[in-house]
Amino acid sequence: GQQVMQIPQYQHVQEGEDFTTYCNSSTTLSNIQWYKQRPGGHPVFLIQLVKSGEVKKQKRLTFQFGEAKKNSSLHITATQTTDVGTYFCSASGTYKYIFGTGTRLKVLA
Amino acid sequence: EAGVAQSPRYKIIEKRQSVAFWCNPISGHATLYWYQQILGQGPKLLIQFQNNGVVDDSQLPKDRFSAERLKGVDSTLKIQPAKLEDSAVYLCASSLTSEQFFGPGTRLTVL
Repeated sequence: GQQVMQIPQYQHVQEGEDFTTYCNSSTTLSNIQWYKQRPGGHPVFLIQLVKSGEVKKQKRLTFQFGEAKKNSSLHITATQTTDVGTYFCSASGTYKYIFGTGTRLKVLA
Repeated sequence: EAGVAQSPRYKIIEKRQSVAFWCNPISGHATLYWYQQILGQGPKLLIQFQNNGVVDDSQLPKDRFSAERLKGVDSTLKIQPAKLEDSAVYLCASSLTSEQFFGPGTRLTVL
């Protein structure tokens, strides 16, 4: 069936380093959402991207939607220990809200 | 504003037993979702309601899972009978627009 792949699966960074996770779909998406899930917690909505090539920023987080609307990325500048968690993309296209496989981020102080 | 409420928070049952989960969405949210999240994986949509009507249940194992949303507010998800592979966190979410608000989830362990 339809899948939304994320890479990398895991990422360990030193505090202060940058981090990027990528979300890829084989089909064109209507929109894409990003969520953060802390260990033991539930997903929390971060942002939604709708337009081709769209770029949105939230403080140290930068979100991009690809020109072909088949991929997206989340970039965190100068990671902090509070950024620890799993980042999921959730894609909406011809199928309903497929969550990606997630990227688990660990930040080493 | 109160968030999405779910109960119970934890449940341990033996295989072939039945179990039910309850969700109370944020007031005024017309859309309600049930997800299954297996450890180490992303949430998998089981069923989506718009008010009390089903929008999508294509990934709901209908031979053992059922869900209802009477009166378009609270919802229950039932598993009957449970299998070992049903061990997971069951998340309820609600939305007014596209942003989904998740509840704390129910962690189900099937022995």
